[in-house]
Amino acid sequence: EAGVAQSPRYKIIEKRQSVAFWCNPISGHATLYWYQQILGQGPKLLIQFQNNGVVDDSQLPKDRFSAERLKGVDSTLKIQPAKLEDSAVYLCASSFISGGNYGYTFGSGTRLTVV
Amino acid sequence: QKEVEQDPGPLSVPEGAIVSLNCTYSNSAFQYFMWYRQYSRKGPELLMYTYSSGNKEDGRFTAQVDKSSKYISLFIRDSQPSDSATYLCAMTPWGGYNKLIFGAGTRLAVHP
Repeated sequence: EAGVAQSPRYKIIEKRQSVAFWCNPISGHATLYWYQQILGQGPKLLIQFQNNGVVDDSQLPKDRFSAERLKGVDSTLKIQPAKLEDSAVYLCASSFISGGNYGYTFGSGTRLTVV
Repeated sequence: QKEVEQDPGPLSVPEGAIVSLNCTYSNSAFQYFMWYRQYSRKGPELLMYTYSSGNKEDGRFTAQVDKSSKYISLFIRDSQPSDSATYLCAMTPWGGYNKLIFGAGTRLAVHP
């Protein structure tokens, strides 16, 4: 089974620039998550999709972050404009059951540095 | 106060030692408890999954949950250098949409 694919692996941008991350979940996984992991902290959920719909985006800074999941498969997360505090690893994960009790499969993440 | 507290370490042990990793939490609604292992520059991978209180064993790994104390543990027996990683506890309430609340992670180094 192929894992969760993310690109790019690394990105360095200047503050106030925009950036986009891409995620391709495991085939057949209806639920997709974007987590933000700041250095030295645990991952924090930004947004959760169930198929095309948003289940939880309560911690997404909506003035600068946006995310979409087209056709219930791939997803993109965008930051515009970026701030220094957005420097983090952005992890995408997918799971087969939403509301179920099974762990996710994470991708390797995109490491963003804002300078 | 954070919902989930985890000692960041680092924890350094010799090969073959028994390792104990712990988390405490404040939200009594948490019912499902997980341990993830995260190698450097990789995403977390699920190690152990436990529902409610009790113990669960899988090979060299044992997860314990004490809901009355709001305390969970992961034990690693016969630790190996390949166990060197950051260990993250995570938890979620019953009936939730599987949003996980993570601890900050404990960095473990097992030296030969």
